[in-house]
Amino acid sequence: DAGITQSPRHKVTETGTPVTLRCHQTENHRYMYWYRQDPGHGLRLIHYSYGVKDTDKGEVSDGYSVSRSKTEDFLLTLESATSSQTSVYFCAISALRTGLSGNTIYFGEGSWLTVV
Amino acid sequence: GQQVMQIPQYQHVQEGEDFTTYCNSSTTLSNIQWYKQRPGGHPVFLIQLVKSGEVKKQKRLTFQFGEAKKNSSLHITATQTTDVGTYFCAGTQGNMLTFGGGTRLMVKP
Repeated sequence: DAGITQSPRHKVTETGTPVTLRCHQTENHRYMYWYRQDPGHGLRLIHYSYGVKDTDKGEVSDGYSVSRSKTEDFLLTLESATSSQTSVYFCAISALRTGLSGNTIYFGEGSWLTVV
Repeated sequence: GQQVMQIPQYQHVQEGEDFTTYCNSSTTLSNIQWYKQRPGGHPVFLIQLVKSGEVKKQKRLTFQFGEAKKNSSLHITATQTTDVGTYFCAGTQGNMLTFGGGTRLMVKP
């Protein structure tokens, strides 16, 4: 398995509270991604990063912010959690931009977030 | 925006039967990737197809990329209980990798 660690793995929080999920990699890969997975929707991209301090929005970025101050760490923040953000969050990493031939994307083990 | 549809959503098979999942994109793709996610686990990269009409095999798994690069399929021959899980396709256009909704495969021993 690729060296990806997500924390926390499980969290229950109250509506309106801020939540930060952390993704840490030991592979020195340039690209890092945050996805959420919900039944019937597959995996949807929230934000991604293509380098330190370089980030961009995905298809479901509303209500989320990210930061990448070091190559190895990519943080996902829910500024004010809502029940619709209850989901499983996966961090992923890749050495190359997605779409390049031969690219492999590795996923972390997931963070289960419940907003009550 | 780009949409990737995957059918069927669920599939029950008897062990030893074949299984196929289909993936269709609303736009032409640069390439397509396939992932497997075991229950309670995380998606694991299986393969990437890049060329129009490309066919690749991994043991009992056969992956195809359509001629128009808008559809793909994954076929498993003689399923085993170890094949249980959800199979996702993901299509690339530009910088975006868009996942299909997945096909959950259940295998009865």
